[in-house]
Amino acid sequence: DTGVSQDPRHKITKRGQNVTFRCDPISEHNRLYWYRQTLGQGPEFLTYFQNEAQLEKSRLLSDRFSAERPKGSFSTLEIQRTEQGDSAMYLCASSLNSGLAKNIQYFGAGTRLSVL
Amino acid sequence: AQKVTQAQTEISVVEKEDVTLDCVYETRDTTYYLFWYKQPPSGELVFLIRRNSFDEQNEISGRYSWNFQKSTSSFNFTITASQVVDSAVYFCALSEAGNRDDKIIFGKGTRLHILP
Repeated sequence: DTGVSQDPRHKITKRGQNVTFRCDPISEHNRLYWYRQTLGQGPEFLTYFQNEAQLEKSRLLSDRFSAERPKGSFSTLEIQRTEQGDSAMYLCASSLNSGLAKNIQYFGAGTRLSVL
Repeated sequence: AQKVTQAQTEISVVEKEDVTLDCVYETRDTTYYLFWYKQPPSGELVFLIRRNSFDEQNEISGRYSWNFQKSTSSFNFTITASQVVDSAVYFCALSEAGNRDDKIIFGKGTRLHILP
């Protein structure tokens, strides 16, 4: 059983460009989460999906951010018109909504974004 | 409001010493979950343990042990006979059962250096 995978691991972009990250959750997990982590801080919740439905978005998620999970499997996080303040590690996690392992989130290795 | 405080920003110990990482949490919910995650230099958050608020039994897993005390709102983590591979950032985290999204609130982490 593979864990959560994220692609790319690193992304360097110029301010104003658009970037897209991908997350593949653990296959049977129906919940998928995106978090952002800046230097010296813990991860902060951005948004989550239950299957293909995006059920909550943090106020950290500005209009330039959009996330999708079209078939309830992988998810993408797009940032439009990137700003230097978007530089961070973007972490994806997945979990089951039921059973003994309910609400245990398993994380990927993250995508580190650097906006120049 | 929910909050997790890890007062120790950075700790250094010599290999084979025992070390305790402190965690204090705040929540208004009577049902909640507490977690510890490890983040090695590779960046991936590794799940270590989840406790629910009704289970105050201490837990031991190999060299790791956790002390949960509701009276002081603390969930401390002890590594016995530390090893260099234990060097990482450790996050304590909280999830309130009343939140349908199960989002996790993380502390700022404690960076642990195990010196050979």
